[in-house]
Amino acid sequence: GAGVSQSPSNKVTEKGKDVELRCDPISGHTALYWYRQSLGQGLEFLIYFQGNSAPDKSGLPSDRFSAERTGGSVSTLTIQRTQQEDSAVYLCASSLARANEQFFGPGTRLTVL
Amino acid sequence: KQEVTQIPAALSVPEGENLVLNCSFTDSAIYNLQWFRQDPGKGLTSLLLIQSSQREQTSGRLNASLDKSSGRSTLYIAASQPGDSATYLCARDSNYQLIWGAGTKLIIKP
Repeated sequence: GAGVSQSPSNKVTEKGKDVELRCDPISGHTALYWYRQSLGQGLEFLIYFQGNSAPDKSGLPSDRFSAERTGGSVSTLTIQRTQQEDSAVYLCASSLARANEQFFGPGTRLTVL
Repeated sequence: KQEVTQIPAALSVPEGENLVLNCSFTDSAIYNLQWFRQDPGKGLTSLLLIQSSQREQTSGRLNASLDKSSGRSTLYIAASQPGDSATYLCARDSNYQLIWGAGTKLIIKP
């Protein structure tokens, strides 16, 4: 079956622009996660969605970051007024339920010039 | 602060050797521990997940163990091959949020 997919695979943008990153989880997975992998920072949790419950946004680094998940499936991570420190690989994962094995997409490499 | 530490940071061994990668964590209240590999420029591939109630999991040449009392997990790779070269990451599941180690970069020399 299809795994987690993300688009675009690469995104180059200018400082101050808004970007949207998309994640399609594995069909039937109720839990969806966003992580960020930066050089020198390692991997960090951003946000978690579980079914129709309110998401855990505790990992979002600033109010410029937001995410939504429509219909319990596709998720979009939006970064407003991008800064150079936002440059990273943004990874999406899904799992069958909370605390189950997480499966990752290939990531979106974001470069802010 | 919840921390995950991986030792060594890098390892280079000849093909065919058995090796052990180490992962330690500071909080024993975990749901599970997951091992991943990451190839350069690629995403993360899940290797093994050990539930908190389990002691070990095996998949092919890989065996992962979990000792919650000491806050340690090990990934054992048997009969290493050049294709095993990658960065190996462990992550503890704190309810649902994965807390990551910095990884061990493994190079298997032919």
